[in-house]
Amino acid sequence: DAGVTQSPTHLIKTRGQQVTLRCSPKSGHDTVSWYQQALGQGPQFIFQYYEEEERQRGNFPDRFSGHQFPNYSSELNVNALLLGDSALYLCASSPGLLAETQYFGPGTRLLVL
Amino acid sequence: SQQGEEDPQALSIQEGENATMNCSYKTSINNLQWYRQNSGRGLVHLILIRSNEREKHSGRLRVTLDTSKKSSSLLITASRAADTASYFCATPLSSNTGKLIFGQGTTLQVKP
Repeated sequence: DAGVTQSPTHLIKTRGQQVTLRCSPKSGHDTVSWYQQALGQGPQFIFQYYEEEERQRGNFPDRFSGHQFPNYSSELNVNALLLGDSALYLCASSPGLLAETQYFGPGTRLLVL
Repeated sequence: SQQGEEDPQALSIQEGENATMNCSYKTSINNLQWYRQNSGRGLVHLILIRSNEREKHSGRLRVTLDTSKKSSSLLITASRAADTASYFCATPLSSNTGKLIFGQGTTLQVKP
């Protein structure tokens, strides 16, 4: 039973570019959340997807957008990249909106130059 | 802003010793969770304690919760080098368990 998978593992972009990160949830999970973790900090909630809709959003600008597909996988898109967007992006899945525990993927490390 | 604040920020102990890390939070909670992160990789869920529980055990882990002080502690007994990691407490918003609010974490180093 595969856990949460994310791709790519590492990514280097330059300022102003756009990036798309991908996440496949754990089998049986239909809810996906995205987090940004800056170096030395705890993860910060970006948004959550359930039934292909954004259900909750953290304090992130509109440059951050997402999508959930019918197979429950999800994408995180970031436009007009800034140096400050350099971070580890974590995807977490859970079996439903009310599930208390989230299962995290290994993350995608994004470096913006 | 962060909901939880972990203390200490860094902890270094010898193998076999116990490690205690603390977490304080600001708002009322339904539950509090502890996660471990190895070398900037994904987080692994360790234990969840509900607001009506005061103590919970899982293997070498012991978690306490004091809702009157809005604080929790994680005790790792008989630590091993493999316990070297960052440990985070996290609390969900009361009405939506999907949004976890994490503290800044405690970095634990266990020396062999």
